[in-house]
Amino acid sequence: QKEVEQNSGPLSVPEGAIASLNCTYSDRGSQSFFWYRQYSGKSPELIMSIYSNGDKEDGRFTAQLNKASQYVSLLIRDSQPSDSATYLCAPGGTSGTYKYIFGTGTRLKVLA
Amino acid sequence: DVKVTQSSRYLVKRTGEKVFLECVQDMDHENMFWYRQDPGLGLRLIYFSYDVKMKEKGDIPEGYSVSREKKERFSLILESASTNQTSMYLCASSLRVAGANVLTFGAGSRLTVL
Repeated sequence: QKEVEQNSGPLSVPEGAIASLNCTYSDRGSQSFFWYRQYSGKSPELIMSIYSNGDKEDGRFTAQLNKASQYVSLLIRDSQPSDSATYLCAPGGTSGTYKYIFGTGTRLKVLA
Repeated sequence: DVKVTQSSRYLVKRTGEKVFLECVQDMDHENMFWYRQDPGLGLRLIYFSYDVKMKEKGDIPEGYSVSREKKERFSLILESASTNQTSMYLCASSLRVAGANVLTFGAGSRLTVL
């Protein structure tokens, strides 16, 4: 089992729709989770972090975490063509380690 | 803003050459990381360092070594470059917060090995 799994996509959604991106992880000790966005030809940049079970909202973005199911998701409401990018999930690792790994990423295409 | 600077954006090397990729960060971050990124394989961790002179292997350390002599600088070394090391290399840094690091990335170094 991979440590972090994401559907590679592409996930195509029409402009204005909700995009739902999912991630599962294997390390039950992971305490924090991060979503990064990477535009084509650019470096990843942090867009969301979540530390507790439940939802966390930031503008059009909502991160959802379920530690019991080892599942984290990112919802993008009112998707815009500018949201077209690859979204990378990264568990923060268990306490005591600084190792930092990523899922392979889901490519999102928002169709105008 | 934290700045992570990678010395070379594009490099072309020949098989067997020794290659140095340099990374410098200016925000006193304890942790530094080297990844390579290939289509379909995502970001794969090569090595990371949580302190000066400290290093730990990531998931794909074979064929690479690293050096961290100063806190702000983390170098990736390919002792004898091979064509399968053609890739985009990304350096990142973060504060040392176990389990909760937020990474800031450099712009990347695209290496082609002929």
